Amino acid sequence: QQQVKQSPQSLIVQKGGISIINCAYENTAFDYFPWYQQFPGKGPALLIAIRPDVSEKKEGRFTISFNKSAKQFSLHIMDSQPGDSATYFCAAQKAAGNKLTFGGGTRVLVKP
Amino acid sequence: NAGVTQTPKFRILKIGQSMTLQCTQDMNHNYMYWYRQDPGMGLKLIYYSVGAGITDKGEVPNGYNVSRSTTEDFPLRLELAAPSQTSVYFCASSGYGATMTDTQYFGPGTRLTVL
Repeated sequence: QQQVKQSPQSLIVQKGGISIINCAYENTAFDYFPWYQQFPGKGPALLIAIRPDVSEKKEGRFTISFNKSAKQFSLHIMDSQPGDSATYFCAAQKAAGNKLTFGGGTRVLVKP
Repeated sequence: NAGVTQTPKFRILKIGQSMTLQCTQDMNHNYMYWYRQDPGMGLKLIYYSVGAGITDKGEVPNGYNVSRSTTEDFPLRLELAAPSQTSVYFCASSGYGATMTDTQYFGPGTRLTVL
């Protein structure tokens, strides 16, 4: 049972465009939703995270939108740059314990 | 701080062989984790530990064993390697400091091939 579903699996965007990645979760016990960025040959690294008490969080060109009623959240990459080319993973975590459940990942390619 | 370090970076095993993947963190984190990442897939939790001497199974523990004798080290043991264990293995750690962060810090990974 996949508890966090992520789409699309891959996307190609032109430099300066907007990249949008969507995730949906099933377990209402999740209360922390981070996004991780992974470059080829490297381990994932935390990019941005949100808790369900807010509907949006912005850090630079990266924005998380959160819809608690729909159990969905998304990552928007504004003004996409070639350096943003990476694989992005959404994840979810319950309040008790510290285990993350990851989505399947989205490979983003930003064309110059 | 070096963060989370993993050795080896690459390894090829024959079916039935055993090996230990090493993981060390120098951030004094309580929590440590082992994940595997298969091509085009997300990360699956194998085992995790909430502190020295305490370990628990994750989503895909079969064929693996772990131990946590110190805060810093969390080795992953593969017994009787099988082709299905060909994957990239990531170790991660997290801890609750003054900011109560939930961030997991990942090592660079070990690419394992079983032939």
